[in-house]
Amino acid sequence: SYVLTQPPSESVAPGKTARITCGGNIIGTKSVHWYQQKPGQAPLLIMYYNSDRPTGIPERFSGSKSGNTATLTISRVEAGDEADYYCQVWDPSSDQDVVFGGGTKLTVL
Amino acid sequence: QVHLVQFPGAEVKKPGASVNVSCKTSGYTFINYVIIWVRQAPGQGLEWMGRISPYSGNTKYAQRVQGRVTMTTDTSTSTAYMEMRSLRSDDTAVYYCARAIQDEAFDSWGQGTLVTVSS
Repeated sequence: SYVLTQPPSESVAPGKTARITCGGNIIGTKSVHWYQQKPGQAPLLIMYYNSDRPTGIPERFSGSKSGNTATLTISRVEAGDEADYYCQVWDPSSDQDVVFGGGTKLTVL
Repeated sequence: QVHLVQFPGAEVKKPGASVNVSCKTSGYTFINYVIIWVRQAPGQGLEWMGRISPYSGNTKYAQRVQGRVTMTTDTSTSTAYMEMRSLRSDDTAVYYCARAIQDEAFDSWGQGTLVTVSS
């Protein structure tokens, strides 16, 4: 199976822009989905098919992909954005349909 | 509104035992969406365990749990089930069910079931 690599942590000041990356060879050919997980809560889908936002997700969240790297961008960061963020790819031709990145802990300073 | 409610909320099991977790869904047509199971060990990331199609009953399991896990569904009650056998201490985790949209992204999640494996 393949590997998705995320930085373990990122820090950003309130009102600034956070960028969380997700790298992996498979990203160039597959869609990337992103989840936000706050302590004690289930993951929440915040971006799918690279750059689509589910209903209810603020426009401050955006996604992009270039080559083998996907990026989740959070503009005008708020304290409530502090969470773990996971990227995910689906590849049914693989022995494991789904792989998650290791997660990035976003700290709002 | 889509809801996935897991039962039980928590279980403590001894090594070698089995655990059954249910995931009752509502608010959508159950057979139209694949259900996946994901677990998260304490302080760790998300690990995909497998999936089941309520429509066909087809399953696919992660190699790491293959042979110890069985996923089933009951279409009459719109409920998915996950049984894990021969539990080990490293199976200690929160177990989640989730609904897959177009098979590949997971838009609704259960609240999680904490399974603690300890002698």
